[in-house]
Amino acid sequence: EAGVVQSPRYKIIEKKQPVAFWCNPISGHNTLYWYRQNLGQGPELLIRYENEEAVDDSQLPKDRFSAERLKGVDSTLKIQPAELGDSAVYLCASSDTTETQYFGPGTRLLVL
Amino acid sequence: GEDVEQSLFLSVREGDSSVINCTYTDSSSTYLYWYKQEPGAGLQLLTYIFSNMDMKQDQRLTVLLNKKDKHLSLRIADTQTGDSAIYFCAEFSGYALNFGKGTSLLVTP
Repeated sequence: EAGVVQSPRYKIIEKKQPVAFWCNPISGHNTLYWYRQNLGQGPELLIRYENEEAVDDSQLPKDRFSAERLKGVDSTLKIQPAELGDSAVYLCASSDTTETQYFGPGTRLLVL
Repeated sequence: GEDVEQSLFLSVREGDSSVINCTYTDSSSTYLYWYKQEPGAGLQLLTYIFSNMDMKQDQRLTVLLNKKDKHLSLRIADTQTGDSAIYFCAEFSGYALNFGKGTSLLVTP
C-alpha cells in the first residue's frame, strides 16, 4: 500500500515569494492534516480536513497561509508571501480514524 | 498547547536496552504514540497504546503507561545502530497529535 506522498521534497525560495506544497494521502483516508516542524521541535498542527472540509484551522496563520482540499483527496498548502521564519519542514499526515496518523516524508522549505 | 516533555538526548551501546521517557499533559488522551524520525525523513509510527492499558509489547519494543503520573516510556531491547534516530512521544488530544520535542537516540558500536 502506498504511503502519504508529498512534493516537492525540498524547496528554496527568497523571502516574499510564494510557495506551494502538495500532499496525496493514503487511499481511503478521509482525514488529512498539515503540520509544521521547526528545527529541534516536534510537529505542530496547522490544519485538519475531514474530507473536503477544514474542521480545525485555528493554528493556521491566515494572513499568509492558505490550504485547500477541493475533492476531498489531494491537498495543497500555500504560503504567500513567505517570510524567513517560515523555514521549516511541512508534514502531511492522513488517517482513516481519528487516532492513528501516518505521515509523509515532508517538504523542507528554506526561505532566504 | 501544554508541553509534552521528553529528555533531549540518550546514548547507549549496541546490544543494550534503551529507555526513552515522556511525560504527557492531557489526562483524557485516549491514545499515546511513539514515532521515529530518521535524518531527512518523515515520522514513522512505531507503536501506540490505548489509555486503558498499562503495557504493550511489540517485538523489541515495550511501552509502559502510568496514567496516574501521566508517564509513558518506550523500551527498545537489543538496541542496534539502525535504531539511532529521534523518537517523539505524542498524545492524542482532541483531534490532533500533541508532540514532545523528541529524544535523540545515539547507538554506539
